[in-house]
Amino acid sequence: DQQVKQNSPSLSVQEGRISILNCDYTNSMFDYFLWYKKYPAEGPTFLISISSIKDKNEDGRFTVFLNKSAKHLSLHIVPSQPGDSAVYFCAASGTGTYKYIFGTGTRLKVLA
Amino acid sequence: GAVVSQHPSWVICKSGTSVKIECRSLDFQATTMFWYRQFPKQSLMLMATSNEGSKATYEQGVEKDKFLINHASLTLSTLTVTSAHPEDSSFYICSALFLAGGLLQETQYFGPGTRLLVL
Repeated sequence: DQQVKQNSPSLSVQEGRISILNCDYTNSMFDYFLWYKKYPAEGPTFLISISSIKDKNEDGRFTVFLNKSAKHLSLHIVPSQPGDSAVYFCAASGTGTYKYIFGTGTRLKVLA
Repeated sequence: GAVVSQHPSWVICKSGTSVKIECRSLDFQATTMFWYRQFPKQSLMLMATSNEGSKATYEQGVEKDKFLINHASLTLSTLTVTSAHPEDSSFYICSALFLAGGLLQETQYFGPGTRLLVL
């Protein structure tokens, strides 16, 4: 049972435009969410996180939105740059555990 | 800050041998580290949680006698793949839990991964 889902395996966006990556979860006990960026044959790099007490968190070009009622979060990257091309994973964890459940990833390609 | 290293970055070994992978938190202490495995084009699958000074906690389906984990210090955890077989070939990634303190929540920072190929 996939508790964290990224339904779009890939996404192509023109340089300078907005990239929107989506993530859905099923477990209502999740209260902390993160986004990681990963290049092939490398470990994931932490991008941004959000606690369930918030509905938005912003860091530079990256903004994460959380819709608890819909059990949905999204990562917005604006403006998108070719260097953003990578696989993006969302992750979730619940109160009392430090374990993360990862989504299946979305491959973002930013076209120059 | 929050840098995690992994060694070796890749290893090729013969079937039946054991391979040790090291995971180090370079600029912070980590009482908790995690070991993941990733198959091509798939997500990261948590194998086990490594706690300093105590036994590791393994996820369902992961053989503890096959994947030995030792967390001997606050900056080092090791994963030993014992009697490796071709099906153990994979990309192994560790992470270390960084506790920022205060109102900031914990975050896992990942090592660069180890590519294991068992012939």
